[in-house]
Amino acid sequence: NAGVMQNPRHLVRRRGQEARLRCSPMKGHSHVYWYRQLPEEGLKFMVYLQKENIIDESGMPKERFSAEFPKEGPSILRIQQVVRGDSAAYFCASSPAGTGVNTEAFFGQGTRLTVV
Amino acid sequence: GNSVTQMEGPVTLSEEAFLTINCTYTATGYPSLFWYVQYPGEGLQLLLKATKADDKGSNKGFEATYRKETTSFHLEKGSVQVSDSAVYFCALSVFGSARQLTFGSGTQLTVLP
Repeated sequence: NAGVMQNPRHLVRRRGQEARLRCSPMKGHSHVYWYRQLPEEGLKFMVYLQKENIIDESGMPKERFSAEFPKEGPSILRIQQVVRGDSAAYFCASSPAGTGVNTEAFFGQGTRLTVV
Repeated sequence: GNSVTQMEGPVTLSEEAFLTINCTYTATGYPSLFWYVQYPGEGLQLLLKATKADDKGSNKGFEATYRKETTSFHLEKGSVQVSDSAVYFCALSVFGSARQLTFGSGTQLTVLP
C-alpha cells in the first residue's frame, strides 16, 4: 500500500506564474489535508477536503490560493500569481473517514516551492 | 487560539545520552497531543500520542506524558541512537484525531556516534 504521494518534490516558479501541487492520498483514504511550512516555522494547517467538498479552509490565504479534491484523481493545491513569500514546503496528509481519537493522518514527503 | 511552543534547536547529543525536548501548549478545550518525527527526505510520521490528561504515549523508546496542570507534553528518551537523528514536531488537535493539527516549530536532533 503506497503512502501519500506528492508531486513534484521540488518546484521552481518565477514571480507571477502559477504553481500546481498534487497529492494522491493513501488507498482507501477519502480525506485530505494541506499544510504549509514556512522557513524556520512549524507546519500550518491550510485546508481540509473530502471528495468534491471543502470542509474547512480556515487556514487558506484569501486570495490566489485554491484547493480541490475531485471525484477522480489527486487533490490539487493551486497558487496563482506566486510571490516570493509563497516559498515554502507544502505537505499533504490523508486519513480514512471517521472522527475517533485513533483516526490518524498520514503525511506525504512534501513539495518544496521556490519562487524566484 | 491554539498554539504549541517547542524547545528550539538544534540539539546535538552523543549516542546513549538522555533526550528531553520540551513542548508546551495553549488550547481551547481538551486537546489531543502528538509527537511527529521527520527523517531526512521523508514525510512526517506519527511517533506517539496522548488523548487525555495523565496519559503517557510511548513508541520506539520515546515517551511523553500529557500534563494538564503544566500544559506540557515533553518528549523523552533514555538512550538515543544515531538513527534517532531527525526533526521532531509537537502538535495538538482539538478535533480529537490526528487530523487538523496545530504544530510547533520543530526541533532538529543530531546524535553523534
